[in-house]
Amino acid sequence: NAGVMQNPRHLVRRRGQEARLRCSPMKGHSHVYWYRQLPEEGLKFMVYLQKENIIDESGMPKERFSAEFPKEGPSILRIQQVVRGDSAAYFCASSPRLAGVDNEQFFGPGTRLTVL
Amino acid sequence: AQSVTQLDSQVPVFEEAPVELRCNYSSSVSVYLFWYVQYPNQGLQLLLKYLSGSTLVKGINGFEAEFNKSQTSFHLRKPSVHISDTAEYFCAVSDLRVAAGNKLTFGGGTRVLVKP
Repeated sequence: NAGVMQNPRHLVRRRGQEARLRCSPMKGHSHVYWYRQLPEEGLKFMVYLQKENIIDESGMPKERFSAEFPKEGPSILRIQQVVRGDSAAYFCASSPRLAGVDNEQFFGPGTRLTVL
Repeated sequence: AQSVTQLDSQVPVFEEAPVELRCNYSSSVSVYLFWYVQYPNQGLQLLLKYLSGSTLVKGINGFEAEFNKSQTSFHLRKPSVHISDTAEYFCAVSDLRVAAGNKLTFGGGTRVLVKP
């Protein structure tokens, strides 16, 4: 059973370009979370999605950032018109279900975005 | 809302010595508690979690943590560290309520450097 997969692992963009980050959850997992880790900081929650639904986007910046988790295919975190402050590691995590004791989130290796 | 404070940003320790990483949290509701480890340029790996029951939780790689409700703490310990324990350690909490979606709130991390 493959773990959470993220690609690309490293992404370099110039200011003003778009960044697309992909996350394939573990098999059987229908809950996806995105977190951002700025340099020298802990992880901060961005958005929580289930298939075809955004459940909680309270951590997403109001502009330029969007996320989706379609019925088929990976979850996508999209950053439009990137700025240097977007440079960070973006981690995706998945879990099999919402409630109860089996709520562990499994993390992917992250995508490290560098904005030049 | 929850918050997590890791009191030490860096902890140098000699090989085979014990280590304790401190974590305090604040929450108006009951929470689950987690410790994750992040090796350089990798994603997060779960060390252990407290959901309910015994307040002393044993995890992987010889780590254990004790939940103290009155002090709202969840300190991580290992009696004898190895060079391979050099990594960053994150304490995290998630809201028990289903509606909260199990998103994790992380502390700022503690960097452990094991010296020979």
